[in-house]
Formats: sequence, structure tokens, C-alpha cells
Amino acid sequence: GEDVEQSLFLSVREGDSSVINCTYTDSSSTYLYWYKQEPGAGLQLLTYIFSNMDMKQDQRLTVLLNKKDKHLSLRIADTQTGDSAIYFCAENTDSWGKLQFGAGTQVVVTP
Amino acid sequence: DTGVSQDPRHKITKRGQNVTFRCDPISEHNRLYWYRQTLGQGPEFLTYFQNEAQLEKSRLLSDRFSAERPKGSFSTLEIQRTEQGDSAMYLCASSPLGTDTQYFGPGTRLTVL
Repeated sequence: GEDVEQSLFLSVREGDSSVINCTYTDSSSTYLYWYKQEPGAGLQLLTYIFSNMDMKQDQRLTVLLNKKDKHLSLRIADTQTGDSAIYFCAENTDSWGKLQFGAGTQVVVTP
Repeated sequence: DTGVSQDPRHKITKRGQNVTFRCDPISEHNRLYWYRQTLGQGPEFLTYFQNEAQLEKSRLLSDRFSAERPKGSFSTLEIQRTEQGDSAMYLCASSPLGTDTQYFGPGTRLTVL
């Protein structure tokens, strides 16, 4: 099965906060990443967190890491229609940086 | 340099034909990765280059697949005798040596009829 798990779908109203959750299994991962993918496009790096950190904030994005539970979350404040996309959580699984991705969470922002 | 580029963006081919995709990484990025993404799934790792050396290959990379990075700059991914199951988005990513942060290109969408 998947080493990285995410819920598949999230619906949120414009202006509200979105929270996307992810669980991973490789406790030796040094970095965890969030990528955004719009229809027909490649992956856009949103943010990442080093494994010895608990939280990272970058403008509207907040990443929380619970290493004990291997749980990662991405909070998007003041969600906009342009935030509608698929969001992927990923962990690096070896020293060469190979990424293991979840199946993605589709976020739909409604007016 | 604006980012990783891939060519072509779309490729439609008939089963049994050979196809080749190209990836141009961000300038001076030593590391280059290929991933495959099928509908509704996250990308899956295929292979990795550090400069011109291919250092790791996934078991997903059957003997019909070959990748090269001859001068340590651009890379090509060739699929021989394509099958319908090869239909997917093929993504390339690069990162500078010393970091694990990967920047992805727009992908090449392959459709095998």
C-alpha cells in the first residue's frame, strides 16, 4: 500500500481556512514537502519542512509536523478560488532525495 | 532560466511504437529525476541522475525504458514498443547538489492508442 496517505477530497468555502492532512511511515525522512498541481500541469513546490521542526509558516501557508505520530498538515488561510487544485504530500526516502508521494488531496473552493 | 522544461508536452502514439521525451533541468542543477504519474495517483519515482551518472532505477523501469543524461545537462527518456499501460504523465524534476528540494517541469502526457 501507499507509504504516504492523504484524504482524497476537501471542499472549502472561499475565505475559510483549509487543512489538508497527511500521514507518512518513514521516520528517517529528513524533509517533507507539499506540492500543488493544477489540471494538466506539473507540480509546483509550495513549501517544505525539515524533520526537526514542528511548524513552518510562509504567508498564507502553515505546515505542522508531528513526528511522533508521523502526521503532517498544511493549512491554507483565507482560501481563494485559485487555490483549487490537487495537493500532494511527499517525503524523501533516501540520501539521493527520491520522493514518495501520497495520492493527492483534491481541494475545491466554492464561492 | 525560468525552470525545468520538457518536450513534447503531449505525445499520442500507437501501440508498439517507440517514443522519446526530453527534459532540460534548471541550469547548474546536478540532480535530475524522472517520475511517472497515472490518473488519480501521485508521481512514482522512475530513475535518478547525478550529473551524467544514473544512480538509481525503480523496478517500474522495465527493460523497454531507458534514460540517459549524456553530458550531465539535459536528459532523455525512451520507451520502446509502447503499451497502453504506458499511458501516463512523465514528469522530470531537478535539484541542486546539497539540497533535496526538487523542482518539477510541466510534464509530458503520453497517450498510447
